[in-house]
Amino acid sequence: SQQGEEDPQALSIQEGENATMNCSYKTSINNLQWYRQNSGRGLVHLILIRSNEREKHSGRLRVTLDTSKKSSSLLITASRAADTASYFCATITQGGSEKLVFGKGTKLTVNP
Amino acid sequence: NAGVTQTPKFQVLKTGQSMTLQCAQDMNHEYMSWYRQDPGMGLRLIHYSVGAGITDQGEVPNGYNVSRSTTEDFPLRLLSAAPSQTSVYFCASRAGGQGDTQYFGPGTRLTVL
Repeated sequence: SQQGEEDPQALSIQEGENATMNCSYKTSINNLQWYRQNSGRGLVHLILIRSNEREKHSGRLRVTLDTSKKSSSLLITASRAADTASYFCATITQGGSEKLVFGKGTKLTVNP
Repeated sequence: NAGVTQTPKFQVLKTGQSMTLQCAQDMNHEYMSWYRQDPGMGLRLIHYSVGAGITDQGEVPNGYNVSRSTTEDFPLRLLSAAPSQTSVYFCASRAGGQGDTQYFGPGTRLTVL
């Protein structure tokens, strides 16, 4: 079964607004990663946060991790139409194999 | 570097036919994986490899075979295609270790009639 579950499944906002996507997972992890997929394309790595980190920034992206709640959030600030894509969280289970397991994704639409 | 390449980009098969989806990477990555992506299901791991000669099953391995004879190549074989295998298939690789970025190929869109 899939480890991560993103929420919401779909999100529609206006350009300039912030977008927040959440990810919940089931078992203890070593790290959590966020990826973006533009329609019909492969996935692109955005950011990785380790289990001993609580927050990480990369440009307009901010990721938080709460291991006690087994959840993470991805915040995109000052969104642009080009941010329109699906966003996936992925995890590697602590003490397990090297499998990187993905959630079902959040489809973000940024309207100009 | 070309990164991760996949061939073909599109393929139509009839039920029962066999085929091999090719995946290659030129980054000398140890880890390679195959995923399938279906609407509403996200990406599901089919098989993965942690190095040449070593493969293991993912979440949905049934109906698929893999081998890893070289570091560069990781082909995915469908021995007897079924309509349920209609999907978009992505190959991915990463250097090694759990903290490494995973790089994805452009995908193969497979339709089984």
